[in-house]
Amino acid sequence: SQQGEEDPQALSIQEGENATMNCSYKTSINNLQWYRQNSGRGLVHLILIRSNEREKHSGRLRVTLDTSKKSSSLLITASRAADTASYFCATDPPGGGNKLTFGTGTQLKVEL
Amino acid sequence: DTAVSQTPKYLVTQMGNDKSIKCEQNLGHDTMYWYKQDSKKFLKIMFSYNNKELIINETVPNRFSPKSPDKAHLNLHINSLELGDSAVYFCASSRAGGDQPQHFGDGTRLSIL
Repeated sequence: SQQGEEDPQALSIQEGENATMNCSYKTSINNLQWYRQNSGRGLVHLILIRSNEREKHSGRLRVTLDTSKKSSSLLITASRAADTASYFCATDPPGGGNKLTFGTGTQLKVEL
Repeated sequence: DTAVSQTPKYLVTQMGNDKSIKCEQNLGHDTMYWYKQDSKKFLKIMFSYNNKELIINETVPNRFSPKSPDKAHLNLHINSLELGDSAVYFCASSRAGGDQPQHFGDGTRLSIL
């Protein structure tokens, strides 16, 4: 079954603005990961947040995790045209051995 | 140097044919995966191998058979291709154990005529 659902499905912003994407999931997790996919390319790992962490930063990325609400958000600050891509959350269940279940993705377009 | 490489990049073939997709990783990872991404970009795991041993086998038709000759390679053979097999197939690899990011290849775009 589909574990994660991203919201919104599509997001269009101007360069320099912040972009926020949300992910909701249904079952317990060991960790939650965010990936980026550029058109015609494979997924690229962005950030991993463990179930006992609430917030994590990496460069212009900020991820939050609320296990009580089974949700996560990805914030990209000061967006650039190069950030245009699809963004996916993926959950790794407890003891799951890295068996990731991906969400439906958010298509982000950053316009000049 | 490409970390996870798949061949071919594009595969166009007739229904009923048998085809193979090859994957190699030079990251020294122990675990490799096959995913299927449909036309709506939904990505679903198919198989996972750890050190040549099958550890994840999702509900995938028997027509799909993975083979891992060594821990750096994981190939996917598909028999009797059907229209519904049209998709992008991604290979990925990671270190063994939990909390490991996965590294993806650029995909093989399979189109069934």
